[in-house]
Order: sequence, then C-alpha cells, then structure tokens
Amino acid sequence: KAGVTQTPRYLIKTRGQQVTLSCSPISGHRSVSWYQQTPGQGLQFLFEYFSETQRNKGNFPGRFSGRQFSNSRSEMNVSTLELGDSALYLCASSLALAGENEQFFGPGTRLTVL
Amino acid sequence: EDKVVQSPLSLVVHEGDTVTLNCSYEVTNFRSLLWYKQEKKAPTFLFMLTSSGIEKKSGRLSSILDKKELFSILNITATQTGDSAVYLCAVQTQGGSEKLVFGKGTKLTVNP
Repeated sequence: KAGVTQTPRYLIKTRGQQVTLSCSPISGHRSVSWYQQTPGQGLQFLFEYFSETQRNKGNFPGRFSGRQFSNSRSEMNVSTLELGDSALYLCASSLALAGENEQFFGPGTRLTVL
Repeated sequence: EDKVVQSPLSLVVHEGDTVTLNCSYEVTNFRSLLWYKQEKKAPTFLFMLTSSGIEKKSGRLSSILDKKELFSILNITATQTGDSAVYLCAVQTQGGSEKLVFGKGTKLTVNP
C-alpha cells in the first residue's frame, strides 16, 4: 500500500509570490491534515480536511488556505509569501477524523522563500 | 492556549543506556497523547495513549500516561545508534476545535 505522497519535495520562491503544495493520502483515507515545521516553532497544525470540508484550523493567517478534492487529495496554498514561511510542510492522512485515528505523515515539502 | 512541553530538549547517551523522555501538557479538552519518532524525514507513529496508568510497549520502547498529573514518559532501554532521532510528543484535542498540538521534541543522540 503506497504511503502519503507530497509534491513537490523542494520549492524555492521569492517574497510576494504564491505557492501550491499537493498531498495524496493513503488509499482509503479520507482525512488530510497539514502542518508547518520550523526549527524555532516545531510542528504546528495548519488545518484538517475531511470529505472535502475543512474541519479544523490552526492559528495561521488567511494567506494559508487549502482544499480537498473528491478523491481525498488535498492542496495547500500560501499567498503573498514571506521569509518566515520558509519551512517544511507536512501532510498527514488518516482513515477518518484525525482525532480518532492514527495519522500517517508524508515526506514533506521543503519551501524556501528568498 | 493549548501547549505541550518536552524535556530534555536534547540528550546524548551511549549504546546500551536507558533513557526517559518527558512530556507534559496543558490542553482544554484532551482526547489522546501520541509519541512519534522523526529521523531525517516524516514523523513515524510510535504510541497512542488514552487511558491513565496503562503502559504501551513495543520492543525496547514503552510509554505511560498520567492524566491526573498531565504528563507522559517514553522509555527506551538498551539504546542503539538507530534510536538516534527527534522524539515528538503530541496531544490530540477534542470538542469544538480538534487539533494535534506538538511539543518541540527531544533530540536523542546515541553514540557507539
């Protein structure tokens, strides 16, 4: 069974640009959660999608948004990039809601903002 | 504000030593506590704890939760160099705003 995949694995952007990251969950998993990981703040929850609906959201500005498609694949978008957005972005999938099931993490997308 | 605090932040031991990693938490609505191991890539799941006082065990790793004192420990016995990693503790909340709140991790280095 294939694991969680994320594309692209690495990305370099400049301030002010926008970026879209993609996450394909494990087959059969309906929940996708997104996290930002930085050396200073550690892993921080961005949002969770379940059945194409955003279920929960962390404390991030509106520049961070996401969506989920009918096949459970999810995308995350960051607009008007800032230097502080440089981070490893991880997505995790679970069978049902993340709060009730084990989450499996993808390898992450490393975003560098110059 | 929900928070998870891990200690120590880093630890260096020799192969064969036993280590104890600590995790304390303050959250408004606790559902479960999870431990992950992160090497150079994605975190991998170790344990999920929901009940107080029940030890979860997997090989040389074990963990226990104390819901009264709001903490958990992760024990690793007979450490090996392959145990070198960052160990993350996270608390899953429930209720109106469900989320997984992570600690900043303990970096464990096991020297031969």
